[in-house]
Amino acid sequence: ETGVTQSPTHLIKTRGQQVTLRCSSQSGHNTVSWYQQALGQGPQFIFQYYREEENGRGNFPPRFSGLQFPNYSSELNVNALELDDSALYLCASISGGTENTEAFFGQGTRLTVV
Amino acid sequence: ILNVEQSPQSLHVQEGDSTNFTCSFPSSNFYALHWYRWETAKSPEALFVMTLNGDEKKKGRISATLNTKEGYSYLYIKGSQPEDSATYLCAFKAAGNKLTFGGGTRVLVKP
Repeated sequence: ETGVTQSPTHLIKTRGQQVTLRCSSQSGHNTVSWYQQALGQGPQFIFQYYREEENGRGNFPPRFSGLQFPNYSSELNVNALELDDSALYLCASISGGTENTEAFFGQGTRLTVV
Repeated sequence: ILNVEQSPQSLHVQEGDSTNFTCSFPSSNFYALHWYRWETAKSPEALFVMTLNGDEKKKGRISATLNTKEGYSYLYIKGSQPEDSATYLCAFKAAGNKLTFGGGTRVLVKP
């Protein structure tokens, strides 16, 4: 067990709706990254939060947004859901203290948009 | 856009056989190369974090090498066992903590 938990584990939403996914970080980790894994592909970087500020963003539209809270847990919000948003969403917790520490992943949230 | 590629995409290995597969990544602005094992219904789990050219790391029957000058890393599994069946992901780290992942190599070890 990594100590990183994501909720919910599965979710079905209708096109056009909004969704919020949650991630608790590993104790002592102040950096959280979010990834989208579509079927048959590797995880794609969405964005990263360091001490409540977004400090990196991948090639995702603005309808993907996030938050990090003072306890370093995080949310991923997706507005105006599209069918292509169906994927596994992973969050990763990183210590942020050094450049070369491993990431600890949650088990992911499987989002299905119908 | 950073390009991290893994090959092959999938691999069937007979139990007891050894195998290896590749991760290629940009050779500039290198900070670290990560390897993760991802078993079905579980979280990706870190195997190695490699930082130096020529690094070799080992964990049990799994080992990895790193060539930062030419931009590749090999992961080796010696004497494959069914429990080695998983997707193996490599991830390249340039600046900050952002990881750029390859597409993964799915390994299936057949008894």
